Amino acid sequence: ILNVEQSPQSLHVQEGDSTNFTCSFPSSNFYALHWYRWETAKSPEALFVMTLNGDEKKKGRISATLNTKEGYSYLYIKGSQPEDSATYLCAFTNYNQGGKLIFGQGTELSVKP
Amino acid sequence: DTAVSQTPKYLVTQMGNDKSIKCEQNLGHDTMYWYKQDSKKFLKIMFSYNNKELIINETVPNRFSPKSPDKAHLNLHINSLELGDSAVYFCASSQDSRTSGYETQYFGPGTRLLVL
Repeated sequence: ILNVEQSPQSLHVQEGDSTNFTCSFPSSNFYALHWYRWETAKSPEALFVMTLNGDEKKKGRISATLNTKEGYSYLYIKGSQPEDSATYLCAFTNYNQGGKLIFGQGTELSVKP
Repeated sequence: DTAVSQTPKYLVTQMGNDKSIKCEQNLGHDTMYWYKQDSKKFLKIMFSYNNKELIINETVPNRFSPKSPDKAHLNLHINSLELGDSAVYFCASSQDSRTSGYETQYFGPGTRLLVL
């Protein structure tokens, strides 16, 4: 059974704080790791797709790193803003799985003004 | 313009009924998916179709049947609805992902199904 685990499950920070969370996935037969941002009552929105060990991606104040050998990815948010409040999902896939993403439970981030 | 749309947004129905949820994408993608958000809020893949061909068929009750009339549409039919079918169902689409998994999937707004 392939499991993706995210930690922490929830996080409460003050505006301006920088934060990070973890996604752990099986390292064997790895193909790609996806990060999504999911606001309440909206659709999950893609942030990054990473495939190579050591990959780093950045989008504004949000960045992500990937370690495929040990099976983890970090998502960083610099200077959190209230509009960053959302659930951040990671999803993993093996090669030749027809796009089958296995999602973690998500990290729910709340940023207080 | 909505990229991936689902109808209805909310569906309340009685146990035993048969219902359908429709999904349409205007992104020109070849692959479409159905996910179920379970009680623990995990998104779990149910089915995927690539250009009307079934690619992924996870272990779901055969009361659930996807139908793809063309590559822009993937509908989900559910027969003999049960209480445990209550969940949020999400449709998604991506470029052809039959042999890889790095294509971004674009999600619809979800259909909230409540079986009474």
